[in-house]
Amino acid sequence: IAGITQAPTSQILAAGRRMTLRCTQDMRHNAMYWYRQDLGLGLRLIHYSNTAGTTGKGEVPDGYSVSRANTDDFPLTLASAVPSQTSVYFCASSAQENTEAFFGQGTRLTVV
Amino acid sequence: GENVEQHPSTLSVQEGDSAVIKCTYSDSASNYFPWYKQELGKRPQLIIDIRSNVGEKKDQRIAVTLNKTAKHFSLHITETQPEDSAVYFCAASRRMNSGYSTLTFGKGTMLLVSP
Repeated sequence: IAGITQAPTSQILAAGRRMTLRCTQDMRHNAMYWYRQDLGLGLRLIHYSNTAGTTGKGEVPDGYSVSRANTDDFPLTLASAVPSQTSVYFCASSAQENTEAFFGQGTRLTVV
Repeated sequence: GENVEQHPSTLSVQEGDSAVIKCTYSDSASNYFPWYKQELGKRPQLIIDIRSNVGEKKDQRIAVTLNKTAKHFSLHITETQPEDSAVYFCAASRRMNSGYSTLTFGKGTMLLVSP
């Protein structure tokens, strides 16, 4: 692995189902982020973690949860998916605040 | 919280022309302003950034200017090329309740450079 990797790349999910999007980085970055990207709305922050063991809420956290058990991994969980969560999800990491953020390749999620 | 407005939403130019994208922000405490380029179907990638102690920064054909008093910053691309066609996002730092700074993004500008 080189950089930041997300899985799966795409998923179709039935409403009401639970889903975990995976994100792994090998750059030893302290900070990690989850964004959702919707047409015309740009990138909106869902949750973030500035260091292992701590997480914080972003602009649109409702319906999502995260954990940061170690430096490398930052999974995003949808406890009970709804159609409004249909989006492209990007994980990102940065060495520290106010430095370059490196994005994963994205996960296209469709909730039907 | 921080609010970032970005204009225009779409911009069409001829190859060789200059392109300018403008952003305004609301939080006077913001001190970091990056620009990201996202090609179709790809991930966003940083192209240039500027900090609040600098008024202008250049990197070859790309430049960014910052006016702290007016709370606006702009991306300038000179001698545009078809490969500059992409969506460009501006962002501004935002201090969260935790004390940590994250980024608030503008809604993006789709730049189309015609040969």
